[in-house]
Amino acid sequence: SQKIEQNSEALNIQEGKTATLTCNYTNYSPAYLQWYRQDPGRGPVFLLLIRENEKEKRKERLKVTFDTTLKQSLFHITASQPADSATYLCALAPGGGGNKLTFGTGTQLKVEL
Amino acid sequence: NAGVMQNPRHLVRRRGQEARLRCSPMKGHSHVYWYRQLPEEGLKFMVYLQKENIIDESGMPKERFSAEFPKEGPSILRIQQVVRGDSAAYFCASSPFKTTRATNEKLFFGSGTQLSVL
Repeated sequence: SQKIEQNSEALNIQEGKTATLTCNYTNYSPAYLQWYRQDPGRGPVFLLLIRENEKEKRKERLKVTFDTTLKQSLFHITASQPADSATYLCALAPGGGGNKLTFGTGTQLKVEL
Repeated sequence: NAGVMQNPRHLVRRRGQEARLRCSPMKGHSHVYWYRQLPEEGLKFMVYLQKENIIDESGMPKERFSAEFPKEGPSILRIQQVVRGDSAAYFCASSPFKTTRATNEKLFFGSGTQLSVL
């Protein structure tokens, strides 16, 4: 069955360091992958999208890589700030169109002073 | 430019009652998705609707759950005869157009409705 795995343990890092979050998937051939941020009591907010034929995407302090051979995406936040503390979700979209996203359970990031 | 609006934010129901969750998509968006989030679990797709059409309801439980998106007014997710296991956060998301492989699609989520069944 299709499975998306994100590290369920919270990631604690110091302010200014780079946070790296992992998303692994099995039995899936996504057309693209998205990363969302979710704060407590709020809905997810879109951050980045990367397609199956792209290796890397950047947006300000964010960077996403996508390795379809390893079936893995890495999400990096450079120069992290306490305001980056949140849960980060990866989501896969199927090939052939449609936007029925399948979400991972998310990784909670805590950036400490 | 209002975002996706969901109401109520919190809904408490007793077992056997009906729950109605409303979602107004962003202005100009004609596609609505409903997701359910249980504690310690990821967001689970339930249903995808366009105006007056259900496009994909493969994630909807076969009984007690229904969804609509009328020509006028918000999208409604309706749960009849609620049970404790229905307690969850229900999120609505909208998008402006149908996704194809060539489009750069993202979803805009509301803040959710937290349903508690006593």
